[in-house]
Amino acid sequence: EPEVTQTPSHQVTQMGQEVILRCVPISNHLYFYWYRQILGQKVEFLVSFYNNEISEKSEIFDDQFSVERPDGSNFTLKIRSTKLEDSAMYFCASSEGLAGGQGSYEQYFGPGTRLTVT
Amino acid sequence: AQKVTQAQTEISVVEKEDVTLDCVYETRDTTYYLFWYKQPPSGELVFLIRRNSFDEQNEISGRYSWNFQKSTSSFNFTITASQVVDSAVYFCALSEDGGATNKLIFGTGTLLAVQP
Repeated sequence: EPEVTQTPSHQVTQMGQEVILRCVPISNHLYFYWYRQILGQKVEFLVSFYNNEISEKSEIFDDQFSVERPDGSNFTLKIRSTKLEDSAMYFCASSEGLAGGQGSYEQYFGPGTRLTVT
Repeated sequence: AQKVTQAQTEISVVEKEDVTLDCVYETRDTTYYLFWYKQPPSGELVFLIRRNSFDEQNEISGRYSWNFQKSTSSFNFTITASQVVDSAVYFCALSEDGGATNKLIFGTGTLLAVQP
């Protein structure tokens, strides 16, 4: 069964460093998402991406964050200068379509990347 | 404003007991979608169910059942004859229609511990 994959599973970085989290969405999916979950807290939406551009972003997704789909398979989240409070589990998700449109719109999540900023 | 409330932070039951996880949502949209996800100790998010706002039929899948009531804005989840493998954090989530995306708004989750 197709699945969303994420690498690395765990990333440790020093404050101020840049990190890139990588995701490979399910191949026929068109909508891509990043969420984060600070330890012990709820899952929060960061950004959605469609047709090579951001379609929506949350207040958390400030200028330190960027997303990119550099090729036909990868979807990346970059944090330019990490802060301690960026420590969290980052989940990538993808869906085939949007509700009301064609295709399934369930979001399938990857296993997550645990980011630790020291 | 959209919001999902899971008032139960932790529930502990003994194996074979039935348990209900509560979820109350707020939305101004007339068309919306409700979800339940399971997060086992390994950390991944596992999709369990989606419900459309225009379909209030309750659903049963094996030991799992869901009770959707628009009148009380609730979408509760019941596990019958719980098992140790059901131990996990369960998240209820809401997605509204009509936007550019179907971003998910999650509740704070309920930690279910099933004791043998």
